[in-house]
Amino acid sequence: SQQGEEDPQALSIQEGENATMNCSYKTSINNLQWYRQNSGRGLVHLILIRSNEREKHSGRLRVTLDTSKKSSSLLITASRAADTASYFCATDAKGQGAQKLVFGQGTRLTINP
Amino acid sequence: DSGVTQTPKHLITATGQRVTLRCSPRSGDLSVYWYQQSLDQGLQFLIHYYNGEERAKGNILERFSAQQFPDLHSELNLSSLELGDSALYFCASSAMTGNQDGYTFGSGTRLTVV
Repeated sequence: SQQGEEDPQALSIQEGENATMNCSYKTSINNLQWYRQNSGRGLVHLILIRSNEREKHSGRLRVTLDTSKKSSSLLITASRAADTASYFCATDAKGQGAQKLVFGQGTRLTINP
Repeated sequence: DSGVTQTPKHLITATGQRVTLRCSPRSGDLSVYWYQQSLDQGLQFLIHYYNGEERAKGNILERFSAQQFPDLHSELNLSSLELGDSALYFCASSAMTGNQDGYTFGSGTRLTVV
């Protein structure tokens, strides 16, 4: 089963608006990462937040992590048409031994011009 | 160009056949991960190699196998192919074993089994 579950599954907004995507997970983690995937292409790493961090920024991206609720959010501010893509959260769960990332099902974001 | 090279980009083959997907990791990366992406299953972790050694196995079928060679490139072998094996297969690499800085993904191999 997927460790991360994104919400919503699909989001459509106007260019210039902010987009917020949420991710919930089930087990304790070492870190949580967000990736972007343009249609049929490879995934691109956006940002990593460690379990002892609560918020992180990178350009127009803001990620929060609440380990007590086992949830994270990704905020994209001032959205652009080029932000249209699928966004995935991925968790590096504790106690996995050899680490691997487990991905959620993703949020499909559409930015309308 | 992410630095991770996957070949071929597209592959069409018949049921029952065997194929080999190849991945060259980003220069300096010792870890290679294989993922399968399908519409119904999402991104599924298959297997992880670090510096030639298998480190973790996910939901990889017995018909599938992989290896990492001394030059660090990796191959994923899929045999006795079924229609349900049609998917995008991604390779990703990272510098260490673990996820301290995220993975770098290749552009994938789209496998179609007919």
